[in-house]
Amino acid sequence: AQTVTQSQPEMSVQEAETVTLSCTYDTSESNYYLFWYKQPPSRQMILVIRQEAYKQQNATENRFSVNFQKAAKSFSLKISDSQLGDTAMYFCAFHRGSTLGRLYFGRGTQLTVWP
Amino acid sequence: DTAVSQTPKYLVTQMGNDKSIKCEQNLGHDTMYWYKQDSKKFLKIMFSYNNKELIINETVPNRFSPKSPDKAHLNLHINSLELGDSAVYFCASSPSLAGETYNEQFFGPGTRLTVL
Repeated sequence: AQTVTQSQPEMSVQEAETVTLSCTYDTSESNYYLFWYKQPPSRQMILVIRQEAYKQQNATENRFSVNFQKAAKSFSLKISDSQLGDTAMYFCAFHRGSTLGRLYFGRGTQLTVWP
Repeated sequence: DTAVSQTPKYLVTQMGNDKSIKCEQNLGHDTMYWYKQDSKKFLKIMFSYNNKELIINETVPNRFSPKSPDKAHLNLHINSLELGDSAVYFCASSPSLAGETYNEQFFGPGTRLTVL
């Protein structure tokens, strides 16, 4: 079974600063995908960034980037130039490389960006 | 245009009642899911349907019964509601593209169920 662990229940950062959210996972699969989802107070689940395990290059989406360490089974999210609108719960998720698979979620990290 | 919609968005009901949550997607996807988010915000898969066929059925009480009348709809019926069923229920959908080992899941806005 796959497990996803987020060890930081809460984090806070000042606007314009950089923050890193941690995630580790456990799997015996060789082909898989990792994701960070954002859930603001509106409750909507929003995909932030995605990483394919077979790609060595870390994914980047504007101010969001990941540090994917496959051997260590680590997948952290870095948010640069934090904005007030980044305040949300962030979930790390794992998907086995299968078209009919499910997402396994970590327990989330509540990020608060303050002025 | 809403891609994945759920009705109702909020549902408050008494213990013992039977209720349904509806989900519809207009993305042309053929795989749909139900996830449950508990009071501690933990999200977990409940069911998944592909082309109206059940493909994932986690350890969920028999009181929960999904129904997929067609590829665009996946409804969740809950019998004899219990206090512990209070949660946010998310519907999601994804395409099943040939040659791809992952297809992005698109989430609905969630339905907050409160059982009194």
